[in-house]
Amino acid sequence: DQQVKQNSPSLSVQEGRISILNCDYTNSMFDYFLWYKKYPAEGPTFLISISSIKDKNEDGRFTVFLNKSAKHLSLHIVPSQPGDSAVYFCAASALSNQFYFGTGTSLTVIP
Amino acid sequence: DSGVTQTPKHLITATGQRVTLRCSPRSGDLSVYWYQQSLDQGLQFLIQYYNGEERAKGNILERFSAQQFPDLHSELNLSSLELGDSALYFCASSVGTSGSQFFGPGTRLTVL
Repeated sequence: DQQVKQNSPSLSVQEGRISILNCDYTNSMFDYFLWYKKYPAEGPTFLISISSIKDKNEDGRFTVFLNKSAKHLSLHIVPSQPGDSAVYFCAASALSNQFYFGTGTSLTVIP
Repeated sequence: DSGVTQTPKHLITATGQRVTLRCSPRSGDLSVYWYQQSLDQGLQFLIQYYNGEERAKGNILERFSAQQFPDLHSELNLSSLELGDSALYFCASSVGTSGSQFFGPGTRLTVL
């Protein structure tokens, strides 16, 4: 039972353009959401988070949007850079602290 | 470098065998989490320990067990290994019982 879904396994974007990565969840109890970035042969690294009391959180080129009514989360990267090429995972948790991860979206930024 | 270390990096073993994966959390972190990532799968949460005590349990098989020691390092024991256990196993740590987690580089387990 996949409670967090990333329906796009891959995404290609031109350098300088916007990358939008999407994530859907099914559990309305989730109150904390994170995005992780993973390079090959490395563990995931934390990128940005958002709690359910907010609908937007921004950190430099990265912005996460949360639409609770649609149970939808998105990560915007502007402008996209070749170094952003990686697999991006979204994750969600409720008060139980167990994090549920999506299957990841592989982003390729084309120079 | 996240500060989380995992050993070994690679492990190749046969079906029916038992292995132990080791994780050292970042200095000061009290929580350790174990995840399994199989091919084309997301990260599946296995188990969390906080300051030596089991805190949360996910999709961990009965053949798997874990513990966190007084020095806060953790071990994940996998026994009666099956081909389907081949995966990347990640350890993560966090300061408290929730919040952002910092991941180790993973252990790649191959069961032949």
